[in-house]
Amino acid sequence: DAGITQSPRHKVTETGTPVTLRCHQTENHRYMYWYRQDPGHGLRLIHYSYGVKDTDKGEVSDGYSVSRSKTEDFLLTLESATSSQTSVYFCAISESGVISELFNEQFFGPGTRLTVL
Amino acid sequence: GQNIDQPTEMTATEGAIVQINCTYQTSGFNGLFWYQQHAGEAPTFLSYNVLDGLEEKGRFSSFLSRSKGYSYLLLKELQMKDSASYLCAASNQAGTALIFGKGTTLSVSS
Repeated sequence: DAGITQSPRHKVTETGTPVTLRCHQTENHRYMYWYRQDPGHGLRLIHYSYGVKDTDKGEVSDGYSVSRSKTEDFLLTLESATSSQTSVYFCAISESGVISELFNEQFFGPGTRLTVL
Repeated sequence: GQNIDQPTEMTATEGAIVQINCTYQTSGFNGLFWYQQHAGEAPTFLSYNVLDGLEEKGRFSSFLSRSKGYSYLLLKELQMKDSASYLCAASNQAGTALIFGKGTTLSVSS
């Protein structure tokens, strides 16, 4: 299994509080991704990173920010959590980008279940 | 825009064959992926097609037609443990990440 961990695995917080989720990898992969998964919506991309300090928005980036100061860590921050951000959050990594000529399998972390009350 | 469609649910019996279809509309196509996700777990990679045709891997096969924007995942000799969600994914417009369909929940009964 790819070395990806997420912390915390479960969190309950209140509306308006800041929350940071951490994704840590030991594979030295260049690309890292944050997704959220909700019933009826499937996996939706929030933000992704293609290198240290290089990040870009996905399809549902509003209300989220990310940072990547080291290859192995990718942080997702909810500046002021809302109930609509209650979800399961998955981190994923891949060695190359999708447009690379190399095969690009994404490996997923175990997920973080976040509940915003 | 980006759009990936697949059936929401399917049922089948042990030992049978099931085909899960996926249609996609994306720009900058760079391959079609299938992932399996058991309830409460992370998605895991099953297959990847970039060229037209059939890719076989044990009991699982995946087919792609780029001209039709169509793929299917074929599962043979179904087992109870194949009960899971199957996610179809293709490249986003920028070619930098994957866009996932909503997933097909397959229930295998004895």
